[in-house]
Amino acid sequence: AQRVTQPEKLLSVFKGAPVELKCNYSYSGSPELFWYVQYSRQRLQLLLRHISRESIKGFTADLNKGETSFHLKKPFAQEEDSAMYYCALRNYGGSQGNLIFGKGTKLSVKP
Amino acid sequence: EAQVTQNPRYLITVTGKKLTVTCSQNMNHEYMSWYRQDPGLGLRQIYYSMNVEVTDKGDVPEGYKVSRKEKRNFPLILESPSPNQTSLYFCASSRQGGQGEQYFGPGTRLTVT
Repeated sequence: AQRVTQPEKLLSVFKGAPVELKCNYSYSGSPELFWYVQYSRQRLQLLLRHISRESIKGFTADLNKGETSFHLKKPFAQEEDSAMYYCALRNYGGSQGNLIFGKGTKLSVKP
Repeated sequence: EAQVTQNPRYLITVTGKKLTVTCSQNMNHEYMSWYRQDPGLGLRQIYYSMNVEVTDKGDVPEGYKVSRKEKRNFPLILESPSPNQTSLYFCASSRQGGQGEQYFGPGTRLTVT
């Protein structure tokens, strides 16, 4: 079954420290993966997608098919990075185009 | 400005009183979807629509209805709300087949007493 797992509910780091938010997926096919971010009291917005291989706000994520992972990384965390982060997998199965979300990781960056 | 709007943003109601949460997008997107967000459970899909008059159940459709009579609107209907439907609801839209980025609305916080 298609599934997205974010093992950490909460991740707390100090400003300037590296951060890695973990995401593992289960999918029988070629996956399409995304990271969405939700800042306090704001709507979800796309942070990045694996197919574009871009860096947004200093964040990067590499798809590792061998480990079925799509971890989100940033070398130096900033206080404004504090937010809820969701990893999502596009499901091309019966409900074509739907996104399957992980349960989210709350990142707290302390000064 | 491209956007997804939801109304109301906040709603407190009582058990059994029918309510509708509206969702509208101005991007001419074919695909629209409703999610509920609960602590520790993340986002779970309620219903989605691939196009006008085409809707289907998501992961947690019980107690909800939707309709898609126009491309831009996708209302969520709770015929007889119950306390376990207290949640934060998000509407989203994207291009045909759910391709590309999903654009989310600002959310509707619903409390059912």
